[in-house]
Parts: sequence; C-alpha cells; structure tokens
Amino acid sequence: GNSVTQMEGPVTLSEEAFLTINCTYTATGYPSLFWYVQYPGEGLQLLLKATKADDKGSNKGFEATYRKETTSFHLEKGSVQVSDSAVYFCALSVREYGNKLVFGAGTILRVKS
Amino acid sequence: DAGVTQSPTHLIKTRGQHVTLRCSPISGHKSVSWYQQVLGQGPQFIFQYYEKEERGRGNFPDRFSARQFPNYSSELNVNALLLGDSALYLCASSMEDRVDSPLHFGNGTRLTVT
Repeated sequence: GNSVTQMEGPVTLSEEAFLTINCTYTATGYPSLFWYVQYPGEGLQLLLKATKADDKGSNKGFEATYRKETTSFHLEKGSVQVSDSAVYFCALSVREYGNKLVFGAGTILRVKS
Repeated sequence: DAGVTQSPTHLIKTRGQHVTLRCSPISGHKSVSWYQQVLGQGPQFIFQYYEKEERGRGNFPDRFSARQFPNYSSELNVNALLLGDSALYLCASSMEDRVDSPLHFGNGTRLTVT
C-alpha cells in the first residue's frame, strides 16, 4: 500500500539553527511528494512539492529533494526562525488516485529565540 | 478571494447522535475532499467528490457519507456517533481531480463526541 513515515517530534531548535525533518515513503505507483505545514490555529498549507525523481521543491527557505533510490523526501532549512514553529506533514499522492493525499503523522517543530 | 470555508468551527455531540458538517470550496474549484485528523496524527482521507460524483472513499464505515451540491459545496454526514469520531474534520478543494492540482484546506471543524 501507500504510506509515509516521518521522524517523531517534537523537534526543538534555537533560532538560526539548521533543520532536517526526515520523511520516507512506500508507494504502489509513482508518487508525487508534498510537505504541508499547519501553523497554530490555522489550516494546512502546501509548503512545497516535487513530482518526479531528483526534483527539488523549495519555498520560504525550505527545500526537499525527491530521492527515488532511498524513497525519501527530507525537509531542510538552513536557518529557522521562531515563526517557523508549526506542525509539518509529509504526504504523497499516486497518479491513479488523482490528488488524494496520504499523510505522515506530522512533526512538531518548536523554535526558541 | 475567500478560501475554503467550513462550518461550524466547533461542535459537541453525544454518542449515538448524527452530525452534518459543511464546506464551501474556493470559487471555481470543482473537487472537494474530506479528511479526518485525530489529535497527534496526520489527516486521513475520507471522501472525494468531483463534479458531484464520488471519486474515492477511504477506509471509513458506512456511518460516514457525503455529497456535493450543484454549486460544488459539500456536506459530510456522520451517523451513530462514537467517541472515536472525535477529531478535526478538514475539507479541501482543488480545481481538478489530478495529481498536479494542489489541495487547499479549510481550517476545519472540531468535533467532540461525549
């Protein structure tokens, strides 16, 4: 089946630290990969996506590279800010199922000033 | 432009009761999906409707049903509520039912079953 595994949180960092949140997946087809972010009190927002192997998605200083050989899509940011504190979800969709998403459990990020 | 709107924002029901949750998609979006997010977990797919037809159903019991109206708004109905139905219910809309058509989520309806 299709599934996503994320590193457990919470992840607590100081401002300007480097961030990595690990995400690996299993998929029956050829998936597209996504990172969504949920800020406190807000709905899920698409952060970035990649639709084929070796693609790099990027937005707001965050990056993730679609690695087919390791079935991974790790999220990175070089210098986090307090405003990045949120829950981050890795997700996939498989072409034959349209844009239905399979989500990971989410990783809480806390950034301290 | 208004985003995806859901109503109500919070709801408290008793076991065995029925609930209806409502969703208005972004203008021009033809696809509406419903997800259940239990505390501490990622959202789980419940239903998708596109042009008023069901396009997919997740692994949820028949107590869960949904429909999409001619104006593309949608309702999610849950019968015979159980304590385990307590969750955040998210609605998402997209222009098309394609993998390259991104989902836009509402802020959700928080359902508490006592």
